[in-house]
Amino acid sequence: NAGVTQTPKFQVLKTGQSMTLQCAQDMNHNSMYWYRQDPGMGLRLIYYSASEGTTDKGEVPNGYNVSRLNKREFSLRLESAAPSQTSVYFCASMRQGVTISNQPQHFGDGTRLSIL
Amino acid sequence: EDQVTQSPEALRLQEGESSSLNCSYTVSGLRGLFWYRQDPGKGPEFLFTLYSAGEEKEKERLKATLTKKESFLHITAPKPEDSATYLCAVQAIWETGSARQLTFGSGTQLTVLP
Repeated sequence: NAGVTQTPKFQVLKTGQSMTLQCAQDMNHNSMYWYRQDPGMGLRLIYYSASEGTTDKGEVPNGYNVSRLNKREFSLRLESAAPSQTSVYFCASMRQGVTISNQPQHFGDGTRLSIL
Repeated sequence: EDQVTQSPEALRLQEGESSSLNCSYTVSGLRGLFWYRQDPGKGPEFLFTLYSAGEEKEKERLKATLTKKESFLHITAPKPEDSATYLCAVQAIWETGSARQLTFGSGTQLTVLP
């Protein structure tokens, strides 16, 4: 049972380059999330998708875009990477809709992204 | 604005030395408080959800408690394998009653020495 799978695990980019972080879950969850984790700070929500076909901004959406490709997959795109986007990115999923549930979120093991 | 503060930032214990981690929160209406464990290089792993003041949950050497302002994660007779970062998160509710997104604390890094 894979749970939440993120690819790639590591990536180094140059300023201005673009890339897409991939996330897939096999738990038939409705909601999916992208967070970033920086030293000394809690996980901060970038974007989320409460259900297939919907996406919404979180706390720190600037510089990012997302696509909910289908129920399983939720990708995060950096169009023009900046050094401030150096971070560890986590994808998470949750079974029920965010507005009606306090189910726990299940996390992938992250993508470590460095931007030079 | 929802706020979550965890203390201490780091804690070193000898094996068998019990202690507690603190999670203080400020929210307008609490839907749930979550505890996660995070190992180096891994994503957070769910431990507990607490819903109302006075509630307690246990798992092996861990016990989580909740009051109206804070939660404690008590670790009894810890072992080196309990070494990890422990994260606390709260889910609040809007005035309409629908749930907001999780707000995470910055975590407590626990090291248990053999």
